[in-house]
Amino acid sequence: DAKTTQPPSMDCAEGRAANLPCNHSTISGNEYVYWYRQIHSQGPQYIIHGLKNNETNEMASLIITEDRKSSTLILPHATLRDTAVYYCIVSGGYQKVTFGTGTKLQVIP
Amino acid sequence: DTEVTQTPKHLVMGMTNKKSLKCEQHMGHRAMYWYKQKAKKPPELMFVYSYEKLSINESVPSRFSPECPNSSLLNLHLHALQPEDSALYLCASSREAWDTGELFFGEGSRLTVL
Repeated sequence: DAKTTQPPSMDCAEGRAANLPCNHSTISGNEYVYWYRQIHSQGPQYIIHGLKNNETNEMASLIITEDRKSSTLILPHATLRDTAVYYCIVSGGYQKVTFGTGTKLQVIP
Repeated sequence: DTEVTQTPKHLVMGMTNKKSLKCEQHMGHRAMYWYKQKAKKPPELMFVYSYEKLSINESVPSRFSPECPNSSLLNLHLHALQPEDSALYLCASSREAWDTGELFFGEGSRLTVL
């Protein structure tokens, strides 16, 4: 599996958009980009995934660069409940989902 | 039902005890996973079951013994554990092991080995 690089921590003001970057420069053509988050003491929660097109669902938007070497997860209006560790993962084919160190997002009132 | 249920939520055991963690899903998923998570670290993959057969073992010590008695159940049998095995054990499921869909995680079983 390709490795990912994320900033260890970020702050975001409540109500503002949270933009979480991820670098995955060694991603293969058949590998998807996944985002999960883990709120303290809970199991990880799937947020969104994509291959090369931008994706949006009720939780977030995923922007993948044209060369697929990086992506950004956007939480459009962050709330205090979005405070969590956000994991960017690349995986494809046989699913061996490997978590990196993630970004600890702190939403500030 | 989109839940993965893990029991017990908390377990304390001695190094000579034998205990089991249980995981159940009723989403018709054919792949199930065990992850181990130490404090302030990301989850680490331990085992993957696909169609009730073990397909991935990430070089996990034999004191951890997984079992998949049917497509809805996944157990992790624990024997002769060490204090460093204390961690949050997470179960997950997905439609297929090779699927590009999401993993559904349970809330975890927090294990303390004395």
